[in-house]
Amino acid sequence: EAEVAQSPRYKITEKSQAVAFWCDPISGHATLYWYRQILGQGPELLVQFQDESVVDDSQLPKDRFSAERLKGVDSTLKIQPAELGDSAMYLCASSLTRTTSYEQYFGPGTRLTVT
Amino acid sequence: QKEVEQDPGPLSVPEGAIVSLNCTYSNSAFQYFMWYRQYSRKGPELLMYTYSSGNKEDGRFTAQVDKSSKYISLFIRDSQPSDSATYLCAMKTGRSGGGADGLTFGKGTHLIIQP
Repeated sequence: EAEVAQSPRYKITEKSQAVAFWCDPISGHATLYWYRQILGQGPELLVQFQDESVVDDSQLPKDRFSAERLKGVDSTLKIQPAELGDSAMYLCASSLTRTTSYEQYFGPGTRLTVT
Repeated sequence: QKEVEQDPGPLSVPEGAIVSLNCTYSNSAFQYFMWYRQYSRKGPELLMYTYSSGNKEDGRFTAQVDKSSKYISLFIRDSQPSDSATYLCAMKTGRSGGGADGLTFGKGTHLIIQP
């Protein structure tokens, strides 16, 4: 069964350090999303890609967060420097196209703890 | 007021009971309504989606959407201990306005099925 892959699954870092998360969407899925989920809350969209292009990054804190999907397949989300408030689950999702964005499939997530 | 409201629970019911999970929303532009199941420390798993109003059934799960009341429900029949998880409702608008295709989630309801 096709799945969204993410790594690492868990990351502990000290504040002011840099961290990076990787996502490989379901094969053939053109649209990729990064969400952040704080404990006890629903996921919130950070950035959306269509192939290698950013569709929307209005909720991405661009002073410290960056995201790329250079070849339109896998993607990396980076935080530099990390802050205590960044502790959360970072989820990657994909959909076949933007038209089918009502069918988003999520990966297992990366749980980030900033100390 | 958040766009999507969902009682966080916990909701505890005995095995075999019918479970009713609900969300209300305020944005009348929402057209697609999804239910996700999330086990502890895992990513959300898409259970089903509904377009506009009406009912949709998939095995033991039935989703209902009442757009006039801005109210959606998920019913689980013959509940099993393995159904114990957090259930997230999610919504999105149609794409006529462009912009991001991210989902707007409720906080999730923590469901416990007692053996």
